Amino acid sequence: DAKTTQPTSMDCAEGRAANLPCNHSTISGNEYVYWYRQIHSQGPQYIIHGLKNNETNEMASLIITEDRKSSTLILPHATLRDTAVYYCIVRALGGSQGNLIFGKGTKLSVKP
Amino acid sequence: DTGVSQNPRHKITKRGQNVTFRCDPISEHNRLYWYRQTLGQGPEFLTYFQNEAQLEKSRLLSDRFSAERPKGSFSTLEIQRTEQGDSAMYLCASTAGAEAFFGQGTRLTVV
Repeated sequence: DAKTTQPTSMDCAEGRAANLPCNHSTISGNEYVYWYRQIHSQGPQYIIHGLKNNETNEMASLIITEDRKSSTLILPHATLRDTAVYYCIVRALGGSQGNLIFGKGTKLSVKP
Repeated sequence: DTGVSQNPRHKITKRGQNVTFRCDPISEHNRLYWYRQTLGQGPEFLTYFQNEAQLEKSRLLSDRFSAERPKGSFSTLEIQRTEQGDSAMYLCASTAGAEAFFGQGTRLTVV
């Protein structure tokens, strides 16, 4: 079973920041928080991952709370092409624990 | 294109027939994963290879399913005696580290 809970759906206005929350209260010390997204009819696409520090890349920022029990993915300036299902996943790196367990994700709709 | 390649993209088969899908991972990625995704659900893990060794199999992978990765390069997923419940998108992913790259998937329809 997925170790994360996410809202089923969210809306965001084009050009505004999209903030997608995720709860992972049972995360272990060696587990990272990963975010993937899936645009309709395509395979999932990696966005970002982190352990305990906040992370930023060209796509998004990841904010992880100090107790690591929740996180937020931030798309700073959402565009229509960001409409997708966003998955928050916790996983340990390496070994047979490395597979990704997907939940149902959050369906983000970016509206003009 | 140097991404993960899956063939065919679409497959329609009659119930009871066998089907085989192929996944070509990104060159030199030592880990390869198969997932299955049904409508409205997230991808579900099926099996995982490190090089040519199949290290983990989900209980979803019934004895009608078999996967191979000869020589640690491409992988095949075979479904024998297909059932309507096998209709799904079958996704392959490869990784050499933290980030997994997914293919576009093979959509199987069993009629």
